Amino acid sequence: EVQLVESGGGLVQPGGSLKLSCAASGFTFSGSAMHWLRQASGKGLEWVGRIRSKANNYATVYAASVKGRFTISRDDSKNTAFLQMNSLKTEDTAMYYCTRLDEQLLMFDYWGQGSLVTVSS
Amino acid sequence: QTVVTQEPSFSVSPGGTVTLTCGLSSGSVSTSYYASWYQQTPGQAPRTLIYSTKTRSSGVPDRFSGSILGNKAALTITGAQADDESDYYCGLYMGSGIWVFGGGTKLTVL
Repeated sequence: EVQLVESGGGLVQPGGSLKLSCAASGFTFSGSAMHWLRQASGKGLEWVGRIRSKANNYATVYAASVKGRFTISRDDSKNTAFLQMNSLKTEDTAMYYCTRLDEQLLMFDYWGQGSLVTVSS
Repeated sequence: QTVVTQEPSFSVSPGGTVTLTCGLSSGSVSTSYYASWYQQTPGQAPRTLIYSTKTRSSGVPDRFSGSILGNKAALTITGAQADDESDYYCGLYMGSGIWVFGGGTKLTVL
């Protein structure tokens, strides 16, 4: 059974940092491109960024809204992807989802249940 | 800045047909954008319905179909059922690994 389980969310003050994890099982994580999306309460989905596999040099790309503040990484030995969030703003408050992209089909085929990040003083 | 447009809300009668659209603030959506569609109910993660414009994900009923209509991507639900009442989002691939999503359409079945 495929699972993506996010963790690490919580309450953080503006300007603070938080690191989310996405633990994967049930598929070949090391060969997969992993993406992060977020959704503020009552709002639409927003793509955050992605990291490709080792074969693709772990290439990362980010949305303009988070570039320079967020960093995506991965540990293939632990089947886990990470989202390091720095210089957090109140507008970063959202549910954060990790998802796998099948790069041949350009399909997000597996989704986690999300981790809630609240940025507030 | 690229903005993906969707109808904020739509209503359909049970058994009826509804078409939701996904456009670009500037330009036309073509198959080159590999449009995908997602269904989300409150408190749940999104579920992928359609990818690459018109391919249904595994297990998705065939009453859901994707297409290009004019200059937009479209999701058509034929024979709507009560449990189709959800939020629907479209996503477009902009190239270079970048995706953009629409604000979603809240579909009511009544």
